[in-house]
Amino acid sequence: EAQVTQNPRYLITVTGKKLTVTCSQNMNHEYMSWYRQDPGLGLRQIYYSMNVEVTDKGDVPEGYKVSRKEKRNFPLILESPSPNQTSLYFCASSPVVAGVREQFFGPGTRLTVL
Amino acid sequence: AQSVSQHNHHVILSEAASLELGCNYSYGGTVNLFWYVQYPGQHLQLLLKYFSGDPLVKGIKGFEAEFIKSKFSFNLRKPSVQWSDTAEYFCAVIPIYNQGGKLIFGQGTELSVKP
Repeated sequence: EAQVTQNPRYLITVTGKKLTVTCSQNMNHEYMSWYRQDPGLGLRQIYYSMNVEVTDKGDVPEGYKVSRKEKRNFPLILESPSPNQTSLYFCASSPVVAGVREQFFGPGTRLTVL
Repeated sequence: AQSVSQHNHHVILSEAASLELGCNYSYGGTVNLFWYVQYPGQHLQLLLKYFSGDPLVKGIKGFEAEFIKSKFSFNLRKPSVQWSDTAEYFCAVIPIYNQGGKLIFGQGTELSVKP
């Protein structure tokens, strides 16, 4: 089944404790992206990657890191989480055919930082 | 800065009522347009998309949207809503030929359908 998977789905952590949220897709998509969803703000892009070893900042990259060492994986790293990073996070992937096409979203990761 | 505006934050309808959700974007060039739906507790699913061609596009579950380039709009419609349409709806835009396929979302419209 074609899908985007994220782990963990739920995470409660404390300020300053490094964490990684994994994202994997099995559709051989070139493009991958991370978003955070907050009430009243919709979804905002954190980072995106057009292909392996190619990443760039989205609208709200502060406090996050990403890497794209393999085509299928795009982990999101919070080196020192803070309470304002409490949010619902979505990973997405897309084929690139004359530009980025529709994005397929993962199930989401609900993160709480105490 | 490029942006997407959804006019209604919360819409309440009775079953069988007609639906129209507004979406406007601010980008003068060519765009790819999307509507996504998020059912309670679930991830985003694509309802429909517009890349080129016929500006009236049909999606899943009886939804359709019309792209009006002169108005920078991509409004979502459904002739008769059902209780199961209760969800949050997001309009999104990718300005093509932009730097990296940044998908810009509107703030979302929460639709509540009363049985």
